[in-house]
Amino acid sequence: SQTIHQWPATLVQPVGSPLSLECTVEGTSNPNLYWYRQAAGRGLQLLFYSVGIGQISSEVPQNLSASRPQDRQFILSSKKLLLSDSGFYLCAWSGRTGPGGYTFGSGTRLTVV
Amino acid sequence: AQSVAQPEDQVNVAEGNPLTVKCTYSVSGNPYLFWYVQYPNRGLQFLLKYITGDNLVKGSYGFEAEFNKSQTSFHLKKPSALVSDSALYFCAVRVRILTGGGNKLTFGTGTQLKVEL
Repeated sequence: SQTIHQWPATLVQPVGSPLSLECTVEGTSNPNLYWYRQAAGRGLQLLFYSVGIGQISSEVPQNLSASRPQDRQFILSSKKLLLSDSGFYLCAWSGRTGPGGYTFGSGTRLTVV
Repeated sequence: AQSVAQPEDQVNVAEGNPLTVKCTYSVSGNPYLFWYVQYPNRGLQFLLKYITGDNLVKGSYGFEAEFNKSQTSFHLKKPSALVSDSALYFCAVRVRILTGGGNKLTFGTGTQLKVEL
């Protein structure tokens, strides 16, 4: 069965420090991968999506970047965190074909101080 | 643009009563619609989806949703609410990615469901 792992679960980082959040998927090949941010416990904003290795699309301009070095690995990064980067970050995957539902990871709570 | 709207920030219902969480959509063509639930500090969990076929879709935990094309709605329902149903509910629509294949989900703003004894 397919599983998605996301870590760490919580992270407290000072302003100006770097960031690396990792997401991996097991049990499937060629997934579409996504990074969402949820601010203030409500709306979900799509940050990045990837349809293949090295293929990253950004939905909104921001202080963050994403990379997909392997088929089932998706990394969210920043060189210098801002206070406004605080939030709940969710990774998700979906199949290339089929009805297109997502499976989400358990999320990372990032607090920039 | 393809989108969904959830007009209610919060819905309160007594345990044992039926519940409805509203969602309307704006989609060109046939919509692929989804409902997800989120418990505090957790990822989203899939409840149900509408692709085609019967307008009444049954999902997890006793939830169902009714697709209404004339009203462009996809309301989430449950005949008898439980306190444990209290959570944040999201409606979503699938949007196809034109370049490279695949798709992405666009979510509504979420509705907080509170079920009280």
